Amino acid sequence: EAQVTQNPRYLITVTGKKLTVTCSQNMNHEYMSWYRQDPGLGLRQIYYSMNVEVTDKGDVPEGYKVSRKEKRNFPLILESPSPNQTSLYFCASRRGSGNYNEQFFGPGTRLTVL
Amino acid sequence: DQQVKQNSPSLSVQEGRISILNCDYTNSMFDYFLWYKKYPAEGPTFLISISSIKDKNEDGRFTVFLNKSAKHLSLHIVPSQPGDSAVYFCAAERAGGFKTIFGAGTRLFVKA
Repeated sequence: EAQVTQNPRYLITVTGKKLTVTCSQNMNHEYMSWYRQDPGLGLRQIYYSMNVEVTDKGDVPEGYKVSRKEKRNFPLILESPSPNQTSLYFCASRRGSGNYNEQFFGPGTRLTVL
Repeated sequence: DQQVKQNSPSLSVQEGRISILNCDYTNSMFDYFLWYKKYPAEGPTFLISISSIKDKNEDGRFTVFLNKSAKHLSLHIVPSQPGDSAVYFCAAERAGGFKTIFGAGTRLFVKA
């Protein structure tokens, strides 16, 4: 089954404790992206990757890191989480650019930073 | 500065009637406009898209209309069904680009 998976689905942590949210897709998609969803703000793009070893900042990259060492994986790293990073996070993937291609989203990771 | 705006946080519609969800944008350089649907505890799923060179795209019960002069698009659902109750996100992209700009979403309630 074609899918995007994220782990963990729920996470409660404390300020400053480094964490990683994993994302994996099995569709051989070139493009992957991370979003956060907050009430009243919709989905905001954190980072995206056009292919292996190629990443770039989205609209809200501060406090986050990403890496793309393999095509299927795109982990989101919070080196020193803060309470304002409490949010619902989504990973997405799609085929490479050109004409529009729909994005496929993972089920989400709800993060709470105390 | 929000480039894509959905000004109605929620909408309630009777089953069988038409649902109209609205979206406004500010950047005339967008090439594609999209609607995604999201159920609780799930990720968004793609619903329908429209190219900026068209003014209408239809897929079954779902139709998207684009008015470029007004920088406005709308999603029509006819007839509305209880299973359509979800949050709907409007989004926009430039061709060949990698950034997707989403609106804040509109929660649709379809009453049986």
